[in-house]
Amino acid sequence: GAGVSQSPSNKVTEKGKDVELRCDPISGHTALYWYRQSLGQGLEFLIYFQGNSAPDKSGLPSDRFSAERTGGSVSTLTIQRTQQEDSAVYLCASSLAGLAQETQYFGPGTRLLVL
Amino acid sequence: AQKVTQAQTEISVVEKEDVTLDCVYETRDTTYYLFWYKQPPSGELVFLIRRNSFDEQNEISGRYSWNFQKSTSSFNFTITASQVVDSAVYFCALSEAPRGTYKYIFGTGTRLKVLA
Repeated sequence: GAGVSQSPSNKVTEKGKDVELRCDPISGHTALYWYRQSLGQGLEFLIYFQGNSAPDKSGLPSDRFSAERTGGSVSTLTIQRTQQEDSAVYLCASSLAGLAQETQYFGPGTRLLVL
Repeated sequence: AQKVTQAQTEISVVEKEDVTLDCVYETRDTTYYLFWYKQPPSGELVFLIRRNSFDEQNEISGRYSWNFQKSTSSFNFTITASQVVDSAVYFCALSEAPRGTYKYIFGTGTRLKVLA
């Protein structure tokens, strides 16, 4: 079946503009995660959605970052007033039920460049 | 505190050599899970293996093998007879149970270059 998909693949924006990144998880997966991978760094957790529960936003680096998940499926990560340090690859992952032992399946990522 | 350390930033080997990628973790939990992912140049993370904290048996899958040692908090990954297609960044990750968000804690990755 289809894996996790993300769009756009690449995004170039100017400092100060807002951007929206989209993630479409694997069908039937109730848990969805956003991570950020900065150049030369590991993956940094941003936010987690599980079913209808309140999301865990503990990893969001600032209030310029927000995310929503509509209908328990597609998620959008929004970065307002982008800064150059926001340049990174944003990865989305999903898992069946959000349990610790589950494998998370990752999308191809959105490469964001803020000029 | 939870932490995953991959001390090797980059490793270069010649094809057919064996190579071991190190992963050391820290956790307060007695129940946890360890993962290895491969990130080829295309960028998509590919799942390789999952191991739970109660299963210290080593695992072999083709040319890949994993050595889990709780006594040293390590979960090392060995590629036998490396091939050019093994060139990628490899990430080790930790997931803890039973509380809260089951996010992964990732190491910073090891870039493996296999030279022909």
